[in-house]
Formats: sequence, structure tokens, C-alpha cells
Amino acid sequence: NAGVMQNPRHLVRRRGQEARLRCSPMKGHSHVYWYRQLPEEGLKFMVYLQKENIIDESGMPKERFSAEFPKEGPSILRIQQVVRGDSAAYFCASSQTGTGIYEQYFGPGTRLTVT
Amino acid sequence: AQTVTQSQPEMSVQEAETVTLSCTYDTSESDYYLFWYKQPPSRQMILVIRQEAYKQQNATENRFSVNFQKAAKSFSLKISDSQLGDAAMYFCAYRVSSWGKLQFGAGTQVVVTP
Repeated sequence: NAGVMQNPRHLVRRRGQEARLRCSPMKGHSHVYWYRQLPEEGLKFMVYLQKENIIDESGMPKERFSAEFPKEGPSILRIQQVVRGDSAAYFCASSQTGTGIYEQYFGPGTRLTVT
Repeated sequence: AQTVTQSQPEMSVQEAETVTLSCTYDTSESDYYLFWYKQPPSRQMILVIRQEAYKQQNATENRFSVNFQKAAKSFSLKISDSQLGDAAMYFCAYRVSSWGKLQFGAGTQVVVTP
């Protein structure tokens, strides 16, 4: 069973461009979480999605950031008009659905650099 | 609001020795989950151990064990018989529900010396 996949692993964007980060959850997982890790800091929650639904977006910046998890295909985190402060590692995690306690399994992250 | 505090930016330990990482958290919930994650230089987040707040027994996973003090809101991680491969950043995390978001502390860098 393949783990959580994220691509690209590294992404360089100039200020003002758009960044699209992709996350394919583990097989059988229907919950996806996005976290951001700024340099020398812990991970900060951004958004929690299920298929076609945003469940919790309390950590998402109000502007320029959006996320989706369509019925088919990977989850996408989209950052419009990137700024230097968006440079960070973005991690995706997935978990199962059902009853019980389900671990979040993390992908390897996408390192975004804004020049 | 819940917060997770790791007060030790870095801890050094010799191979085969024991090191304890501290974590405190603030919550008004009675039922929640606590985790320790390891992040080696590859940056991959790896779950080390999990503790359910309703369980009084401390969780153990091989050389890793926790000391969970619910009243004190303390959740420390003990690494026994430290190995070079244990060198990593360790994050304490809190979750209030089975499926909710994780809230992480700032991390503790563990350095293992031969």
C-alpha cells in the first residue's frame, strides 16, 4: 500500500505567481489534512477536507489560499499571488473514515520557495 | 484555545543512554488524544507513540514510552537505549477528536552522540 504522495517535492515560484500543491492520500483514506511548516517552527494546521467537502478551514489564511478534494483525483492546495512569506514546507496527511481512532499518515511534504 | 508547549529546544544524549522530552498542553476538554511525532532530516513525519486521555496506563512502543499526567496536563516522552537513528526533531501533538486537526508544539531537537 503506497503511502501519502505529494508532488512536486520542490517548487520554486516568483512573487505574484500561483502555486499548486498536490496530495494523493493513502488507498482507502478519505480524510485529507494540510499543514504548513515555516522554517524552525512546528507544523500548523491549515485545512481538513473530505471528498468534495471542506470540514475545517480554521487555519487557512483568508486570502489567496484555497483547497479542494474532488471526487476523483488528488487534493489540491492552491496559493495565488505568492509572496516571500509563503516559503515553507507544506505537508499533507490522510486518515481513514469510520469508527475508532485513526492516525494521520503524512506525506513527504512540498518545499515551496518564493523568489 | 488549546496550546502545546515544548520548552526544550534541544536535548543531547549519548548512545545507549536515556533522554526525556517534556510537553505540556492546555485544554478544557476531558477527552482528547496526544501524540509524539519524529521528523528526521528527510522531513518525513513519523508517528512514534499515541496516548488516549481516557486511558490511565501510559503508552509504550519498544524503546519509547510516555509519562502522561492528565491533571498536570503533561505528556513527556522517554527514549531508552538511544540510537544514532533516533536523532531527529520530535514534536508533541494534541487532537481533540478522532478525526480532527493536530496541534503541534514547536519541537525538540534530539542529538545523539556516539
